[in-house]
Amino acid sequence: GAGVSQSPSNKVTEKGKDVELRCDPISGHTALYWYRQSLGQGLEFLIYFQGNSAPDKSGLPSDRFSAERTGGSVSTLTIQRTQQEDSAVYLCASSPILLSGQDNQPQHFGDGTRLSIL
Amino acid sequence: SQQGEEDPQALSIQEGENATMNCSYKTSINNLQWYRQNSGRGLVHLILIRSNEREKHSGRLRVTLDTSKKSSSLLITASRAADTASYFCATALNQAGTALIFGKGTTLSVSS
Repeated sequence: GAGVSQSPSNKVTEKGKDVELRCDPISGHTALYWYRQSLGQGLEFLIYFQGNSAPDKSGLPSDRFSAERTGGSVSTLTIQRTQQEDSAVYLCASSPILLSGQDNQPQHFGDGTRLSIL
Repeated sequence: SQQGEEDPQALSIQEGENATMNCSYKTSINNLQWYRQNSGRGLVHLILIRSNEREKHSGRLRVTLDTSKKSSSLLITASRAADTASYFCATALNQAGTALIFGKGTTLSVSS
């Protein structure tokens, strides 16, 4: 597809279960971002991958959250032992490679995964 | 912590009217971006303005940036029902491809 693809689009699970959210970025985009959007709120940064560099994990709210990006393409965000406060829309974005002297590239977003913890 | 704050939180106008949204931020920035989000969808990039620019246009959109006041405004002229969405400003703290910091958004409703 031409855009960022996220799956599943909706996920309902019981408190305490683990969940995996998937993001397929635009082909060729080296930067990949995960954000969380709670109801009526702005986006909260979670984690950022850029090429082969170590990811910026500074936004992860707890050690229950982790993410990986295999082969520089698809990324998976994992939440272990889910809590009710984890309920939110999880958005993934990607952007092209940043060349020296360029400004930040616009980020291209998927439609998100709506996670509901019962 | 939230870097940007949009004002107003909600705005309701009639088709054909202009809509103005404001964004304030706290720290020095490299650039500021505006995004639109339709209900249940991801964000769509609208416009980017660099810290050394004061005004930028794109179609019916006009963005201003005042770095001395740490504020930006987004003007949508001759609004249409299809402009109904939430609008977010996002700041980039440096030139490198780091994450953006988003405000809570302005919800715009345009009625026909």
